[in-house]
Amino acid sequence: DSGVTQTPKHLITATGQRVTLRCSPRSGDLSVYWYQQSLDQGLQFLIQYYNGEERAKGNILERFSAQQFPDLHSELNLSSLELGDSALYFCASSHNVLHQGVAQYFGPGTRLTVL
Amino acid sequence: GQNIDQPTEMTATEGAIVQINCTYQTSGFNGLFWYQQHAGEAPTFLSYNVLDGLEEKGRFSSFLSRSKGYSYLLLKELQMKDSASYLCAVEGNTPLVFGKGTRLSVIA
Repeated sequence: DSGVTQTPKHLITATGQRVTLRCSPRSGDLSVYWYQQSLDQGLQFLIQYYNGEERAKGNILERFSAQQFPDLHSELNLSSLELGDSALYFCASSHNVLHQGVAQYFGPGTRLTVL
Repeated sequence: GQNIDQPTEMTATEGAIVQINCTYQTSGFNGLFWYQQHAGEAPTFLSYNVLDGLEEKGRFSSFLSRSKGYSYLLLKELQMKDSASYLCAVEGNTPLVFGKGTRLSVIA
């Protein structure tokens, strides 16, 4: 158990809908990262937050947005869902903000299925 | 651009040694990580290299050559539970960039 929690574990929804994925980082970690993992693309970095502020952006679609709250939990919002958005979504956390060789610890993931 | 290459699949025998290679080209370099991921589960941290050379951690070792853009993960005394995907990830000017992973099957 990494100490990172994610809810829900599974989510099934229809095209065009909007969903929210939730993540709580390990105690003491200030950075939260979101990743998308699909079979053909591997693990893709979406976005990073540190202590409530956006720090880095990866291949995140405009239909997707995220935020980190004062209690450090984070939410990833996915809207106008398409079939291709079906994937595993992981949240990870680390203590540092900068890219300084600190390991990221991953939550169990949310499996999103868009029908 | 950023590119990380690993073999897609490997098979090895229980009790043997296996080496999983990773080559990378990234913008900046702050270190290379190896993660293990069992099917449908979260990646778990295995090792970190930032200087050239070998880092040993029990049955697992990881090697880095920065000049060659090359790393490998060495797994000794393979066990059936080592069947998993092994992800190479590089930290550069952006947070981690992951390779697509190497699926290792350990057979009896």
